[in-house]
This record gives sequence, structure tokens and C-alpha cells, in this order.
Amino acid sequence: QKEVEQDPGPLSVPEGAIVSLNCTYSNSAFQYFMWYRQYSRKGPELLMYTYSSGNKEDGRFTAQVDKSSKYISLFIRDSQPSDSATYLCAMMKGNQFYFGTGTSLTVIP
Amino acid sequence: DAGITQSPRYKITETGRQVTLMCHQTWSHSYMFWYRQDLGHGLRLIYYSAAADITDKGEVPDGYVVSRSKTENFPLTLESATRSQTSVYFCASSETGWTEAFFGQGTRLTVV
Repeated sequence: QKEVEQDPGPLSVPEGAIVSLNCTYSNSAFQYFMWYRQYSRKGPELLMYTYSSGNKEDGRFTAQVDKSSKYISLFIRDSQPSDSATYLCAMMKGNQFYFGTGTSLTVIP
Repeated sequence: DAGITQSPRYKITETGRQVTLMCHQTWSHSYMFWYRQDLGHGLRLIYYSAAADITDKGEVPDGYVVSRSKTENFPLTLESATRSQTSVYFCASSETGWTEAFFGQGTRLTVV
């Protein structure tokens, strides 16, 4: 069993929709939680970074962490075609990052 | 240019050959990482380095060698390339190891 599980999708939504992306993890030692966005043939870039349980908002993006359930989510409001990308959750344990497999998102104009 | 750069961007090599992928960062970040990205597996850590001359294995180190004689460079060598090492390789750096990792553009390696 992988330490970080993520539904690969693909996910296809109309422009303006609310998108929910999720990851689960099995190791309670994970302390930092991140969401990366990766456009086709590019390197991942950090979207959101959080340490504690609860919500963190940045513009149209909200990251949610529930440590008791070992579950993290990324919500995208008013989704735009430019949000079409692969979204990777990531978590830190020690000095290492552990990534989910990524969810492919397409926002249709 | 500031940032993290990988070279080459694309490489085709033959089975059994040695190949080195280069990674250079301009931020003087302490931590550097090498990942491979494959469909269905996501990003998997090959090796990482906490500082010059300090390296450690990640999840999938077999068949790879790294060195870090200078803070800014972290080359990855495939000693004898195999077809299973066909992948996209990403280098990343992080200031402290607890902060975000910045990724390069990736090297697409094909072993034939």
C-alpha cells in the first residue's frame, strides 16, 4: 500500500465549476502538506502549503487538512481553463517529500 | 538565469550506456532532490542531498549514482542504463528541507 493515495482521475468539469481534489495518507508522521500543480511537460510548482489541520485559503484555492482522518483536499472555486493541469498532493516526513500520483484536471470553456 | 535548470531536456541512449543528467540551482539551497515520474507511480524519490558531500538514498536508488561536490550542482548518473529507467527525471531544491521544493523543467530520458 502506498503511503499517499490520490485518485488519478481524469476529471473534466465546465468552466466556473467548483473542483474538489483529494488525497489520503496512512502515516501519521506526515507533518507538512502541499499541493503542486503541473502543466504538461513542465515541472511541478507549489500551489498551497500548510502544516496544521483546518483550512487555508489563497484566492480561488482552498487547502483543507484533516489529520484525524488522514485526509487532505484542494478546492478550486470558479474554475478556469487555465486551471487545466495535473494536481499532485505532497507530504513531508523527515526531510523527504512523498507525492501522490496526481489528478489530471480539464476545465472545459 | 536564476532558478533551477536541468540538462539535457531530452536524451535518447542505448541500453548499457552510462548517462549523466545535470542539475544546477542558483539559490544556494541546501537540499536537492532527484525524482523520476512515471505513469501510475507519480513522483518517486531517487536520491537527495542535505548539503555538499552529503547524499542519501530515496525510494528507488538502484542503478543510480549521485554526487554533490558543490552546493549548486547535483548530477545524477545512470551507470548502465536499462529500459526500465526510461522516465521523466526531475531535479528539485529546497532551502531547508522543510520548505517548498522548487522543481526544474525535467529531463525526458528514453533508453532503447
